[in-house]
Parts: sequence; C-alpha cells; structure tokens
Amino acid sequence: SQKIEQNSEALNIQEGKTATLTCNYTNYSPAYLQWYRQDPGRGPVFLLLIRENEKEKRKERLKVTFDTTLKQSLFHITASQPADSATYLCALGNFGNEKLTFGTGTRLTIIP
Amino acid sequence: DTAVSQTPKYLVTQMGNDKSIKCEQNLGHDTMYWYKQDSKKFLKIMFSYNNKELIINETVPNRFSPKSPDKAHLNLHINSLELGDSAVYFCASSRTGAYSYGYTFGSGTRLTVV
Repeated sequence: SQKIEQNSEALNIQEGKTATLTCNYTNYSPAYLQWYRQDPGRGPVFLLLIRENEKEKRKERLKVTFDTTLKQSLFHITASQPADSATYLCALGNFGNEKLTFGTGTRLTIIP
Repeated sequence: DTAVSQTPKYLVTQMGNDKSIKCEQNLGHDTMYWYKQDSKKFLKIMFSYNNKELIINETVPNRFSPKSPDKAHLNLHINSLELGDSAVYFCASSRTGAYSYGYTFGSGTRLTVV
C-alpha cells in the first residue's frame, strides 16, 4: 500500500541554521508533490509545489527538491527564525486525480 | 476576506446525534474537499466535489453524507455520531488541476463526541 513518511515527528533547530525536512514515499509514483505549513488550531497553508520533472523549486527562504529515483523530497528553510516553528506536511498527487495524499507531518521548532 | 470558511469551529455532541458542518469558499474554485485529521494529526481525504459532482468518495461510513448545493458550498452531515468520529474536520478548495495549484484549507471544525 502507499506510504508517505516524514523523517521525524519533531525537529529542533537553532535559529539562523538551515532546517531540512524529509518526505519519503513508497509504492507511489506521484506526478507532483506539495508542502504545507500547519500552525496549532489552524488549517494547513500551501507553501510550494514541485512536479516530477522538476529537480528543485525555491521561494524566498524555502527550497524544495524532488528525487523520483530516491522517492524523496527535501524541504529546506534557510536562515530559520522562531516564526518558522510549525508542523510541515508533504502531500503527493497525480494528474487527473484531484486527491492529495498527506504525509504524517514534522513538527519543527526553531530555538532562539 | 477571500477564504474557505467553516462553521461551527467547535462542536460537542452526544453519541447517536446527527450534526452538520458547513463550508463555503469565495475563491471561485471548482473543487472542494473534506479531510479528517485524527488525534495523531494525520490528514485523510474523505470526499471531493467538482462543480457539485462527487468525484472522490474514500472508504467512509455511510453515516457521512456530503452535499454540495453549488460549487461554492460543501456541507458534511453526520448521522448517528460515534466516539470514533471525534476529530478535526477540514474543508478545502482548489482550482481544477491540483497539480498546478495548492489547496486552500478552512480553519477546521473540532468535533468531540461524548
């Protein structure tokens, strides 16, 4: 069965460092992958989308990579700030199927 | 404000009751969804509608019935509530072609069945 795993349930990073979150999947060939941020008591907020034929996407301090051979996506936040503390979710989908399947999430804490 | 809005935000009810959650989006999106987030924060799709037509119906008990009166609204009715239905329910919307666009989520409805 399809499985999407995010590297760790919780990750603590010192302010100013780069936070790297991992999303691994098995038994799945997604056409695209998305990353979301979720704050406590709120709904997920869309951050970035990357397609299977793209290796890397950037948006301000965020960078996403997508390796379909390794079946893995990495999500980087550079120059991390305490305001970046949240749960980050990866989600996978395919063309012609309006369904996103979400990973288990990583709770990121940036320590001042 | 443009958004996906859900009501109510909190819902506490007894087992066996019937309840509804309403969702509205004013983003002009064609597709709307219901997701369930359990106590372990795992988000799982329940239903999806595109222009009022049901396109995704995951393995969800028949006690859950979505209704879409128009493409801006997607309501969720739950009959005979059970303890295991306690969770946060999220409504979301997107333009058709989720491969190009992200979802916009509502702020969730925390359902507690006692």
